[in-house]
Amino acid sequence: DARVTQTPRHKVTEMGQEVTMRCQPILGHNTVFWYRQTMMQGLELLAYFRNRAPLDDSGMPKDRFSAEMPDATLATLKIQPSEPRDSAVYFCASGLEPLVGRYISNQPQHFGDGTRLSIL
Amino acid sequence: GENVEQHPSTLSVQEGDSAVIKCTYSDSASNYFPWYKQELGKGPQLIIDIRSNVGEKKDQRIAVTLNKTAKHFSLHITETQPEDSAVYFCAASIKIQGAQKLVFGQGTRLTINP
Repeated sequence: DARVTQTPRHKVTEMGQEVTMRCQPILGHNTVFWYRQTMMQGLELLAYFRNRAPLDDSGMPKDRFSAEMPDATLATLKIQPSEPRDSAVYFCASGLEPLVGRYISNQPQHFGDGTRLSIL
Repeated sequence: GENVEQHPSTLSVQEGDSAVIKCTYSDSASNYFPWYKQELGKGPQLIIDIRSNVGEKKDQRIAVTLNKTAKHFSLHITETQPEDSAVYFCAASIKIQGAQKLVFGQGTRLTINP
């Protein structure tokens, strides 16, 4: 089965350090989503790309977080500088949103197994 | 904006019995409702989804019902097995400026007792 691949699976680092998380979406998918999961807030959408273009990053703290898609096979989420409150599991998901007439059709999002981030 | 409420937060059932998880949403424009199962250390896995033009959908032991008027949808698992133990999330899709966004419920931790 095709899968979304995320690296690293675990990351422990000290506050102030730069953290980079990577995601390889399913081949052929044209959308990529970054989510953060915590016990208190649940699953929160951080950023959303379609055809490598950022569509929505309103859920992301702009001062320290950045998300990019250098090419169709790689999405990155960076935190600089990291803070203890950034500790969470970060998930990447990908999907295929075809155009149906003038409209984008809702399609399933397929998740990777996440990066568990701990900022000390 | 869209708000999704999920109940119960925890559910424990005997193996072989049925389990029902319910969600309500606030935005009447939502038209796509997926359900995800998340096992420990794994990402959420899509198990079933339903679109707003359908009232019910079934896949083996799993079924989902949707009541658009009342703005609620439910997941039904019959003949539960120990491997059904996991956290289940409902979600509702909204379109904002041409972008599809999923808003998730808070999750239900389902435990199947042998």
